[in-house]
Amino acid sequence: EDQVTQSPEALRLQEGESSSLNCSYTVSGLRGLFWYRQDPGKGPEFLFTLYSAGEEKEKERLKATLTKKESFLHITAPKPEDSATYLCAVQAGAAGNKLTFGGGTRVLVKP
Amino acid sequence: DTGVSQDPRHKITKRGQNVTFRCDPISEHNRLYWYRQTLGQGPEFLTYFQNEAQLEKSRLLSDRFSAERPKGSFSTLEIQRTEQGDSAMYLCASSLGQGIGNTIYFGEGSWLTVV
Repeated sequence: EDQVTQSPEALRLQEGESSSLNCSYTVSGLRGLFWYRQDPGKGPEFLFTLYSAGEEKEKERLKATLTKKESFLHITAPKPEDSATYLCAVQAGAAGNKLTFGGGTRVLVKP
Repeated sequence: DTGVSQDPRHKITKRGQNVTFRCDPISEHNRLYWYRQTLGQGPEFLTYFQNEAQLEKSRLLSDRFSAERPKGSFSTLEIQRTEQGDSAMYLCASSLGQGIGNTIYFGEGSWLTVV
């Protein structure tokens, strides 16, 4: 059974204080690893998909990396608007299959 | 707007009543997914469709839950004889299901409160 574990559960940062979120996974036949951002009371918003170890993707202050066992989401010089829950999910087998999510990391960036 | 649309956004119901949620996927997306999310947890998979065919159902989907996708367009998720434990946000998502169209997009969710 596919498993995803995210750490830490919560992260409090000062504005400008860079940090990293971890997503460890166990999956048979990784198709893709997805990162989403979720604001309170809203649905997950797609950020990145990573397909193979060594791949990296960037968007504004966010950078996602992937190894064979884990993924990191680096937040560089965060701003208060980066406060959200960040969700990691894996997809096994074929494209279009279901996602298995971790529990998320709640990030709070204080000004 | 061509995003995933869910209705209603909020529903309060009494225990034992039936509720139905509707999801309209992004146009031309042939894969449609239902997830459930409780406070402080990640989304949990319930079921998904390719066109009108229901491909997989989670153990979480008890016999009180039923999902349909007639004609491969919109989908409905019905919960019969609701229980307080059914209180959660029900998320719908869609994708093209292949190649670079593998990105899975979520709607804003339908909140269910069972009192």
